[in-house]
Formats: sequence, C-alpha cells, structure tokens
Amino acid sequence: QKEVEQNSGPLSVPEGAIASLNCTYSDRGSQSFFWYRQYSGKSPELIMFIYSNGDKEDGRFTAQLNKASQYVSLLIRDSQPSDSATYLCAVNGMNRDDKIIFGKGTRLHILP
Amino acid sequence: NAGVTQTPKFQVLKTGQSMTLQCAQDMNHNSMYWYRQDPGMGLRLIYYSASEGTTDKGEVPNGYNVSRLNKREFSLRLESAAPSQTSVYFCASSEHRKNTEAFFGQGTRLTVV
Repeated sequence: QKEVEQNSGPLSVPEGAIASLNCTYSDRGSQSFFWYRQYSGKSPELIMFIYSNGDKEDGRFTAQLNKASQYVSLLIRDSQPSDSATYLCAVNGMNRDDKIIFGKGTRLHILP
Repeated sequence: NAGVTQTPKFQVLKTGQSMTLQCAQDMNHNSMYWYRQDPGMGLRLIYYSASEGTTDKGEVPNGYNVSRLNKREFSLRLESAAPSQTSVYFCASSEHRKNTEAFFGQGTRLTVV
C-alpha cells in the first residue's frame, strides 16, 4: 500500500515567521508531488507542484523535493493569518493506473 | 468554468436507505476519483477510474459502488447507508501526465442517522 505521511499538527507559527511543513512517501516510483491547502468546510486547492529534486519557489511558497530521502516539504515565508488552514501533501506516479494519494494533512495555525 | 460539479451538496439519510452521489467534469479528464474525508483522517480514496469503463478500488471501498457512465461522469452509490458512512465526500478529476493536479468538486456533506 503506497503511503504518504504527514504530521497532523497543529503547527503554530507566529505571524511573519516561516512555516515548515513536511511529508514523506513510501513509493520510490512516485513522480509528481503536490501541496494543497484546505480551509475548513472547503475543497482542497492546489498551491504548488514539484517533480524535480531541489527547490521551487512561487511567491511566499517554496516546495522542496528530495527523492533519495523520499520527502517533500513546503515552506511558507512571512506567514499570514490567512495561511491558517490544513495543508495536504499528495503524490502521484506516472503509470496509467497510478492514483493520486493524499496524506492526512497538517493543520497550520498562524498566531497574530 | 464549471470544472467538477457534485450533487447534492448536503444529504441526510436514514440507516439502510440508498442514494447516489453524482459527479461530472467538463475538463475532458481521463481519471476520476471519489474520496471521503473524516476529521483527522485526511482524504481517503474510495474508488478510482483511470478511464471510461474502468474502475478500481481504493483504500476504503466497502459499502460503496461506482459507475463510470462516460468520460464526464462518475457516480458513487451507497446501497444501504450506515452511520459509519457519515462523512464529507469529494469527487476529483485529473489528466494523467506529469504535473497535472487533481481538481475537486465542492463536496457533499452526508449524514446517516
């Protein structure tokens, strides 16, 4: 069974600080990695995707991928109260019958 | 820009009743998914369809059936609802190539009493 592991939190971070969210995955054949944000009562929405080792930056968000260690992380710089949400890590392979597998999510709380 | 449309948004069932959750996408995606989300459990895959006419069990398929009616539609059926199926259900779709994410419907909040 392919697994994606996340710390459930809650992770509390002061406003303006850097929030660091981590995720590990079990399937070495995984090719695509996604971070979703989900506000309470809403659907998940994509924040970033990454598929190459290293860092990928988009505004205040940076995704980091290390395939050798099988982990992916999300950094949120200058954290804002509006960043308070659950962050879901998702992983997909490249085969036709591969499924997108989600972690259980990390609850992030930004302290004003 | 409809994307993924789920119906209904809310539903209350009595134990033993049946119902079908409907999902349709207009993005011409091959892959479609049904997830359930319970507090503290994240998104758990119920069933998956890689293409029209194919379905595959996910992590928690017991008590559910699905039908991939055509490329656009993927329905989830509860034949005899149980309180343990009280949850929020999400339908999603994706195109199967690198870097394409799953797009989600707005969710169905189901309560079985």
